[in-house]
Amino acid sequence: EAGVVQSPRYKIIEKKQPVAFWCNPISGHNTLYWYLQNLGQGPELLIRYENEEAVDDSQLPKDRFSAERLKGVDSTLKIQPAELGDSAVYLCASSLARAGELFFGEGSRLTVL
Amino acid sequence: AQKITQTQPGMFVQEKEAVTLDCTYDTSDPSYGLFWYKQPSSGEMIFLIYQGSYDQQNATEGRYSLNFQKARKSANLVISASQLGDSAMYFCAMREGWAKLIFGTGTLLAVQP
Repeated sequence: EAGVVQSPRYKIIEKKQPVAFWCNPISGHNTLYWYLQNLGQGPELLIRYENEEAVDDSQLPKDRFSAERLKGVDSTLKIQPAELGDSAVYLCASSLARAGELFFGEGSRLTVL
Repeated sequence: AQKITQTQPGMFVQEKEAVTLDCTYDTSDPSYGLFWYKQPSSGEMIFLIYQGSYDQQNATEGRYSLNFQKARKSANLVISASQLGDSAMYFCAMREGWAKLIFGTGTLLAVQP
């Protein structure tokens, strides 16, 4: 069974540029999460989807971050414009049910210069 | 207030020895779940073990066991017979009810030959 797939693995951009990350969850997993992980820290939730609906986006900086999950499968996280402080690893995870364990992708490491 | 506290930034253990990674949590919700994840240098978060607040017995998964002391609000991870491949960051996490998973700051484990 394929795991959670994320792309790109690495991205280097200049500040003020846009960037997008893509996530394909495990087949059949209705719940999808985007987490932000700063260096030396634990992951912090940005947004959680139940199928197509964003049920928790309270930690998403909506002035520059946006996310979508069309058709309740793949998801895209976008940052526009990127700032130096956005340099971090963006982790996508999925779970079969909202109370189940999360399965994570390998993450997308963003460096903003 | 910190919901999840991991007080050990780093730990060393000799190969084949057992090691305990500490985790304390704070919640007033009677229904919660506790998780441990491993994050090797590749970046992927790997689920290790789960303990529900109503579970009577401590969870075990192979060489991993969770020492759950509810009154003390602690959920320590015990790794028996450490292997070189166990070297990684280890994160404790908690979910209250149906809410998001909250992670601690992690413990970096180094297994020495």
